[in-house]
Amino acid sequence: GENVEQHPSTLSVQEGDSAVIKCTYSDSASNYFPWYKQELGKGPQLIIDIRSNVGEKKDQRIAVTLNKTAKHFSLHITETQPEDSAVYFCAASSTNTGNQFYFGTGTSLTVIP
Amino acid sequence: GAGVSQSPSNKVTEKGKDVELRCDPISGHTALYWYRQSLGQGLEFLIYFQGNSAPDKSGLPSDRFSAERTGGSVSTLTIQRTQQEDSAVYLCASSPQKNQPQHFGDGTRLSIL
Repeated sequence: GENVEQHPSTLSVQEGDSAVIKCTYSDSASNYFPWYKQELGKGPQLIIDIRSNVGEKKDQRIAVTLNKTAKHFSLHITETQPEDSAVYFCAASSTNTGNQFYFGTGTSLTVIP
Repeated sequence: GAGVSQSPSNKVTEKGKDVELRCDPISGHTALYWYRQSLGQGLEFLIYFQGNSAPDKSGLPSDRFSAERTGGSVSTLTIQRTQQEDSAVYLCASSPQKNQPQHFGDGTRLSIL
């Protein structure tokens, strides 16, 4: 089955700096990669996603890049703000096995004012 | 409401009791997922429903766990003879179809004394 690894587990950045979170996956059939933000006491919220037919996607201060050859994808947050502080999860799924989304173990991001 | 609704938000029960957790998905979403999230951990897949198809139960950790989805809408997750290791947050998510963005509820925090 699919195995998704996520790094780092914790990340602290100064307000205004950029943050990068990286994930790798093992199943070359995986073709959909969402990123979720989870605040304390809340459920995960989708912030951006990418499918395997594109290499990069941007939405304001957030971007995701995908390298299918190397089987890794990354979340980039620019101009970080204190409200970006949360736990971020990456995930992978496949059209062929779309029953399951395989999640990374999460990155706790702290933005220091 | 517009989002996924879960109830109760918190549940405290004694070891050995049965519990039922409820999920109201977004109207029209055919796919419904249950996950378990232990403190500081990622999301562990439990079960998946898609329309009228047989559910994917491959993630259920033991036969004490079961779930049903009535009329293709509301779902209940039942844990029988609860154990302390069942303590976790149980998250429900729905999506329009499989392999599409999931929308999560805020979860039920289950504590077994």
